[in-house]
Amino acid sequence: AQKITQTQPGMFVQEKEAVTLDCTYDTSDQSYGLFWYKQPSSGEMIFLIYQGSYDEQNATEGRYSLNFQKARKSANLVISASQLGDSAMYFCAMREGISSGSARQLTFGSGTQLTVLP
Amino acid sequence: DAGVIQSPRHEVTEMGQEVTLRCKPISGHDYLFWYRQTMMRGLELLIYFNNNVPIDDSGMPEDRFSAKMPNASFSTLKIQPSEPRDSAVYFCASSLKIVGELFFGEGSRLTVL
Repeated sequence: AQKITQTQPGMFVQEKEAVTLDCTYDTSDQSYGLFWYKQPSSGEMIFLIYQGSYDEQNATEGRYSLNFQKARKSANLVISASQLGDSAMYFCAMREGISSGSARQLTFGSGTQLTVLP
Repeated sequence: DAGVIQSPRHEVTEMGQEVTLRCKPISGHDYLFWYRQTMMRGLELLIYFNNNVPIDDSGMPEDRFSAKMPNASFSTLKIQPSEPRDSAVYFCASSLKIVGELFFGEGSRLTVL
């Protein structure tokens, strides 16, 4: 079974509007972390935001926020006030076993290509 | 502060040749990861190290691939002999213990002709 599912291969949003990128995950661990990365056309992987499974509040970082719904196992990324420079591929990822003392690999979803329209 | 440093950024080689990719993690990071990215398969973990010791190499495709971490500041990923299907972007990433994000290098784009 897929650990991380991103069901939107591509998304379009008008500049200055908000957009939500979907991510659902599958784990039996109680302690895990959820991450979002941005990969622009230049190819580098840029960390955006992190949410721990025990964090009670949704994570926010500037224009990025993570809509964490633990019972539904979803961790959607919300980008507010989209900018042209936000056009990129966005990856959701999960790291299991956070509290066990043995960090595990980061497992990535297939990504969502976001295009911001002027 | 220096991030994760990978070299070479681009490599074009012929089938059958040996390829060595290099990585310098962020100082103080205990974990080092090698990922491969292709259009067909996305981002796949190949291997990761903890304190220079390989922990999980189940993602290494076959015996042609090998990775080493002789010290805390250097790792190599070697492909011998290379094949056209190895063409991909290879990322190295490092992280602190347990929690926190992975910091990625800029990647090494490999093309095997």
